[in-house]
Amino acid sequence: SYELTQPPSVSVSPGQTASITCSGDKLGDKYACWYQQKPGQSPVLVIYQDSKRPSGIPERFSGSNSGNTATLTISGTQAMDEADYYCQAWDSTHVVFGGGTKLTVL
Amino acid sequence: QVQLVESGGGVVQPGRSLRLSCAASGFTFSSYGMHWVRQAPGKGLEWVAVIWYDGSNKYYADSVKGRFTISRDNSKNTLYLQMNSLRAEDTAVYYCARDIRLMVRGVITYYFDYWGQGTLVTVSS
Repeated sequence: SYELTQPPSVSVSPGQTASITCSGDKLGDKYACWYQQKPGQSPVLVIYQDSKRPSGIPERFSGSNSGNTATLTISGTQAMDEADYYCQAWDSTHVVFGGGTKLTVL
Repeated sequence: QVQLVESGGGVVQPGRSLRLSCAASGFTFSSYGMHWVRQAPGKGLEWVAVIWYDGSNKYYADSVKGRFTISRDNSKNTLYLQMNSLRAEDTAVYYCARDIRLMVRGVITYYFDYWGQGTLVTVSS
């Protein structure tokens, strides 16, 4: 079965750029999306179709996908961005999630 | 506005059954594929099952195949998850989610644009 791998944690200082990776076999041949989840809340879509932002998502969120790796980039990270982030892709008949990355804004 | 409201969670003994519901409003329910996604306490998201907009196709995660059944009633704008032979490892918050499925440049893009608030299922004796 298809797998997506994320680092368990990433730390960033306020105002700096955070990058969260998501790796999978030939992931660049698929489309990836990203969800943000804060404690006690449902996930929220922040990037879809590799690099598109839904309405209401700040411009500091961006995404890319090439080769075996998709990347979520948060520029000018703010304290409110501290959350768990999950990548997701579709593999023939199954939805696949990455294991999630806890972003800490120190 | 789009709303997804899950219900039916609770505490159930191992081996027993439970049925979850997801009431949808604010959109044309019969036009969208729908999913169940779960999250065990302190763990990540795990996809459970999908049902096509018209109920014609259903797919399941290996961990629930043969025990869980996804269904929908488009006349009632409601999604269901029948869970049988429950195990301790099925303990989780269960979310329903609406999908967007598009073909872009020959590749399927698939994501969830709306999620419910979740309902907690605890399997314990």
